[in-house]
Amino acid sequence: DQQVKQNSPSLSVQEGRISILNCDYTNSMFDYFLWYKKYPAEGPTFLISISSIKDKNEDGRFTVFLNKSAKHLSLHIVPSQPGDSAVYFCRGYIKKTSYDKVIFGPGTSLSVIP
Amino acid sequence: DAMVIQNPRYQVTQFGKPVTLSCSQTLNHNVMYWYQQKSSQAPKLLFHYYDKDFNNEADTPDNFQSRRPNTSFCFLDIRSPGLGDAAMYLCATSRDLSAGINDEQYFGPGTRLTVT
Repeated sequence: DQQVKQNSPSLSVQEGRISILNCDYTNSMFDYFLWYKKYPAEGPTFLISISSIKDKNEDGRFTVFLNKSAKHLSLHIVPSQPGDSAVYFCRGYIKKTSYDKVIFGPGTSLSVIP
Repeated sequence: DAMVIQNPRYQVTQFGKPVTLSCSQTLNHNVMYWYQQKSSQAPKLLFHYYDKDFNNEADTPDNFQSRRPNTSFCFLDIRSPGLGDAAMYLCATSRDLSAGINDEQYFGPGTRLTVT
């Protein structure tokens, strides 16, 4: 079973506060995870990634945490800004016998309220 | 600078009438992907090309075909669109198949297909 789940379809956060977006996966063979951000009428763009050998990766206001035992990762945005309002996709990478496979979660729509 | 371009952005076709969606890239990437995304769902990979090698996902219907005449262009052909094929179709590229940390996918803006 190879699934990436984002159980919260939407999230609203006040400007300046922390946004926490969650992602769960079902197979311990997932190796890399990437977060993508998507604005309306645009394609997803890469935001931040994490390898399974790490438990944290930070890039400016964005930090991703990985808990392998719980098969859970989260994206933290601190402080949240109105321009962060977008849909965030969690993407897992797993190696198959013939080629590599990436699997997206369904996305979480973040609204940052000024 | 647009790197992955999809045309048209909006496409309306009739039930059963063949339709072709276009994708081009200026990144010179080896891999091109086609995804189908329905409302509030995860993008679903239909197939990908690694250079000229075509890889179809096991659950992609036969109704969906693809062509990659050169490195820059890739087409999605839907031979007989049904109402259930109405979706956003996303084209993406990556330098290589490994999709590691530094090799993320670059997406186009998508083509929204409506089937009447």
